[in-house]
Amino acid sequence: QQQVKQSPQSLIVQKGGISIINCAYENTAFDYFPWYQQFPGKGPALLIAIRPDVSEKKEGRFTISFNKSAKQFSLHIMDSQPGDSATYFCAARVSDGAQKLVFGQGTRLTINP
Amino acid sequence: NAGVTQTPKFQVLKTGQSMTLQCAQDMNHEYMSWYRQDPGMGLRLIHYSVGAGITDQGEVPNGYNVSRSTTEDFPLRLLSAAPSQTSVYFCASSLRGQPSELFFGEGSRLTVL
Repeated sequence: QQQVKQSPQSLIVQKGGISIINCAYENTAFDYFPWYQQFPGKGPALLIAIRPDVSEKKEGRFTISFNKSAKQFSLHIMDSQPGDSATYFCAARVSDGAQKLVFGQGTRLTINP
Repeated sequence: NAGVTQTPKFQVLKTGQSMTLQCAQDMNHEYMSWYRQDPGMGLRLIHYSVGAGITDQGEVPNGYNVSRSTTEDFPLRLLSAAPSQTSVYFCASSLRGQPSELFFGEGSRLTVL
């Protein structure tokens, strides 16, 4: 049972545009919401993360917006670049201290030059 | 500093065969886990370990065994391979406790005929 739902499955954005990926969760026993970036043939790598007591976190061109009451969070990539083309996964950590993550289905992002 | 190392990178099995996917980390992380990645499904947790001698089941444990005799190694055993186990397998490690980055290996692509 998928407890984190991610959309869209694929996204094409022009260079310089804003890429937006959305996630929604059902379980309230999550205490950490990371985003992972994966390039073809590689393992996922942490991009940015947020705790549920914060509504927004920005690191460079990447911003997470978090809405606790709606159980939704999103990733915004400003000034998207061809090098951002990758698969992005949202995730939620189960709050039992064991670092178990529940992942969304993934979004394949393509930035056209 | 190699991080998380997985072997083999590619493997083809026949139905009913058994094999072990190897995972080793050199970061002295207490937590290690195995995920499988399938199209449209994201990453799903198979088994995890919070320390040497301690293992537990994740979301999709059937058909897989693990053991954790040392902090560094966390092998995943397929007991009797089935076509449904065709997937890309990722090993990950992290510090335990407070939310922290999960470090992934580069994956092992398994095909079961």
